[in-house]
Amino acid sequence: AQSVAQPEDQVNVAEGNPLTVKCTYSVSGNPYLFWYVQYPNRGLQFLLKYITGDNLVKGSYGFEAEFNKSQTSFHLKKPSALVSDSALYFCAVSIVGGRRALTFGSGTRLQVQP
Amino acid sequence: DTGVSQNPRHKITKRGQNVTFRCDPISEHNRLYWYRQTLGQGPEFLTYFQNEAQLEKSRLLSDRFSAERPKGSFSTLEIQRTEQGDSAMYLCASSLNRALGETQYFGPGTRLLVL
Repeated sequence: AQSVAQPEDQVNVAEGNPLTVKCTYSVSGNPYLFWYVQYPNRGLQFLLKYITGDNLVKGSYGFEAEFNKSQTSFHLKKPSALVSDSALYFCAVSIVGGRRALTFGSGTRLQVQP
Repeated sequence: DTGVSQNPRHKITKRGQNVTFRCDPISEHNRLYWYRQTLGQGPEFLTYFQNEAQLEKSRLLSDRFSAERPKGSFSTLEIQRTEQGDSAMYLCASSLNRALGETQYFGPGTRLLVL
């Protein structure tokens, strides 16, 4: 079975400060890892993914994430937060060579204060 | 690229009624997924299609749920004899089959409220 944990329900950060949204995963095998963002009353918008290769992945809107196999983590980061980054963020995992469906974490609400 | 579309966006129904949702994927995508999202939770997988074949169904998909993708294009999700516990956001996603890490693109969802 596979699972994703997002240990923080909410992250608060001041505009201009760096932000980190945490994600750890558990899979039997090698993972594909994803971050999605959800704005109110909207579907999920793809931000970035890790497939293979470089552990640091860069995505949309200045976001990046680092894959750490030993810590089974895939934390989302951004050097300088914007108020418009305020949204719900989901980490998801699927298995290399395994089932295609994504398993999601419970989400982290990011609040960026002006 | 018009993205994934879903209709209706909102549906209010009475318990015991049947409802049907439609999903139109990105045109060249051969995979289509359905997920359900309840308040405060991440999406949970329901079922997926590759072309017109339904390849996997979650245990969450009870006998009252049925999904089709008759011509490998749009898909419908029907819930029969709705229950209050079916109230949720139903999300559709599509992807292009790739050897490495396909990306699923999501529609805006259909929010169902069962009274």
